[in-house]
Amino acid sequence: DTGVSQDPRHKITKRGQNVTFRCDPISEHNRLYWYRQTLGQGPEFLTYFQNEAQLEKSRLLSDRFSAERPKGSFSTLEIQRTEQGDSAMYLCASSLYGGPVGYTFGSGTRLTVV
Amino acid sequence: AQTVTQSQPEMSVQEAETVTLSCTYDTSESDYYLFWYKQPPSRQMILVIRQEAYKQQNATENRFSVNFQKAAKSFSLKISDSQLGDAAMYFCAWSFQGGSEKLVFGKGTKLTVNP
Repeated sequence: DTGVSQDPRHKITKRGQNVTFRCDPISEHNRLYWYRQTLGQGPEFLTYFQNEAQLEKSRLLSDRFSAERPKGSFSTLEIQRTEQGDSAMYLCASSLYGGPVGYTFGSGTRLTVV
Repeated sequence: AQTVTQSQPEMSVQEAETVTLSCTYDTSESDYYLFWYKQPPSRQMILVIRQEAYKQQNATENRFSVNFQKAAKSFSLKISDSQLGDAAMYFCAWSFQGGSEKLVFGKGTKLTVNP
């Protein structure tokens, strides 16, 4: 297993466009998390899944954001009608519920909205 | 709401020396975890060390150790024999034991290691 993979690594989009990011967790991990990290800040929790169920969403996750994890495997995070304030690093992490506490993070997707 | 505060935006250390990064947190929970994560430039975040709040013994991982003061809500990271590869952003984080185990992060401390 090569760890948590995120695609793409970088995305530049025009304001108002829709973007979708993908995260492939470690295969045996049943929990998957999305975080957003802006410049000079620590990551902020957006949402998480246990298997295919989305169990919690942050108030940061506006109606323009949607996340899915079909079949409890990979996950996608879609942002509709992007705004300049959406520019950030989007981090995905996975963990095994009931296993050692602590995540494995992916390298992130850096989104720039112009 | 839980908060995590890292009061040192930047720190520097000479190679082979020891440095301590500070972290304080605020929570009303009694069962929780604390973490230090390392984020090298343009690379993924890596777990450095974790501490269970119910354990009085401070966690240690090779050159990394913590000073956990539960009553003071303080959780500092000591890096001994600093190496050039230790240069990175270091984030302190908190999570509740159970439930989502989502992390609350501090703003980070940028560590520079001078040769």
